Amino acid sequence: GQSLEQPSEVTAVEGAIVQINCTYQTSGFYGLSWYQQHDGGAPTFLSYNALDGLEETGRFSSFLSRSDSYGYLLLQELQMKDSASYFCAVSGPDRGSTLGRLYFGRGTQLTVWP
Amino acid sequence: DAGVIQSPRHEVTEMGQEVTLRCKPISGHDYLFWYRQTMMRGLELLIYFNNNVPIDDSGMPEDRFSAKMPNASFSTLKIQPSEPRDSAVYFCASTRTSGKYNEQFFGPGTRLTVL
Repeated sequence: GQSLEQPSEVTAVEGAIVQINCTYQTSGFYGLSWYQQHDGGAPTFLSYNALDGLEETGRFSSFLSRSDSYGYLLLQELQMKDSASYFCAVSGPDRGSTLGRLYFGRGTQLTVWP
Repeated sequence: DAGVIQSPRHEVTEMGQEVTLRCKPISGHDYLFWYRQTMMRGLELLIYFNNNVPIDDSGMPEDRFSAKMPNASFSTLKIQPSEPRDSAVYFCASTRTSGKYNEQFFGPGTRLTVL
């Protein structure tokens, strides 16, 4: 089976840097994704790591260590609008499906204070 | 381009009634996913389709839930009869095989309340 662990809450102030960790256990692994969800909204894709290392997209970066079954999302220069829930998701094989499916963590609620 | 379209956006019904949720995926996407989100259980995959064929329905809670995808541009999730514990936000998402890393595009969701 699959399981993902991430902190339930993180708080930080505007302009700060915050790191949201995710550890996973999975029987098959394609990659690790991150999604953002604002209150009342839909999850939206942020990043994907299939290989070890850091991927940077603007103020957000995502890291993966396959050997440690660990990844993190790094948010820099925090803004109030970054207050949201952040989900890590493992992509893995499923029943012969080419893309497989996503297994989501429970989400981390990030609150950014002024 | 239009994103994933879901209807209705809100649904309030009474226990025992039939509920039908609708989804139109992004044109050209060949995967469609139905998720349910609650505080208690988080974001759960209920079922997904590839080229209109159900691939994995192991997340469907019980026989009261059924899903269909009669063509590439339409899917329904039906609950019959509905129960208060079905109250949740139901999301539909789509993606394409040729796309990026199983990047899923979510619709706005249907907030279902069963009284």
